[in-house]
Amino acid sequence: QKEVEQNSGPLSVPEGAIASLNCTYSDRVSQSFFWYRQYSGKSPELIMSIYSNGDKEDGRFTAQLNKASQYVSLLIRDSQPSDSATYLCAVNVLRDDKIIFGKGTRLHILP
Amino acid sequence: ETGVTQTPRHLVMGMTNKKSLKCEQHLGHNAMYWYKQSAKKPLELMFVYNFKEQTENNSVPSRFSPECPNSSHLFLHLHTLQPEDSALYLCASSQERGPETQYFGPGTRLLVL
Repeated sequence: QKEVEQNSGPLSVPEGAIASLNCTYSDRVSQSFFWYRQYSGKSPELIMSIYSNGDKEDGRFTAQLNKASQYVSLLIRDSQPSDSATYLCAVNVLRDDKIIFGKGTRLHILP
Repeated sequence: ETGVTQTPRHLVMGMTNKKSLKCEQHLGHNAMYWYKQSAKKPLELMFVYNFKEQTENNSVPSRFSPECPNSSHLFLHLHTLQPEDSALYLCASSQERGPETQYFGPGTRLLVL
């Protein structure tokens, strides 16, 4: 099983709707979880980090973590065309003391 | 701007050339990383330096040679590369190695002919 899995997409969402991005991970004792956004030709930029079960909200973004299910998601409310990008999920792997990135999900917001 | 700069931003080199990529961070971080990003692949961690000491080499071919003279600077020396080495090379830094937020530079787009 891959350590961090994401659906590669593309995920198409109408403008103004909620975009839901999902990520599963295999290391049960992972403690830190990150969502990065990467525009085409650019480097990843951090959107959210989450460390505890539950929801964490920051503006239009909400990260959700369920450690029992080994699942972390990112919700984007009121999606805008500028949200069109690849979203990378990253999870720390305790045994190796490093962060593993998923392949990313391409999100396309339809005007 | 994330506080991490990389030069050059674009590089074209032949297989017999020698070149170096440079990364500098202005964040006071102690850990620095080199990643390779190829099309349709996840970010591949290449090297990690923590307090100037190399703590990870992810089975990277010897044609890639990292150097970390101090906590703010990181280099990636390239020699006799192959066309399959063409990719985006990203530098990142974090406060320390481990489950810390990493901040990425803009990357160097490398093309090997």
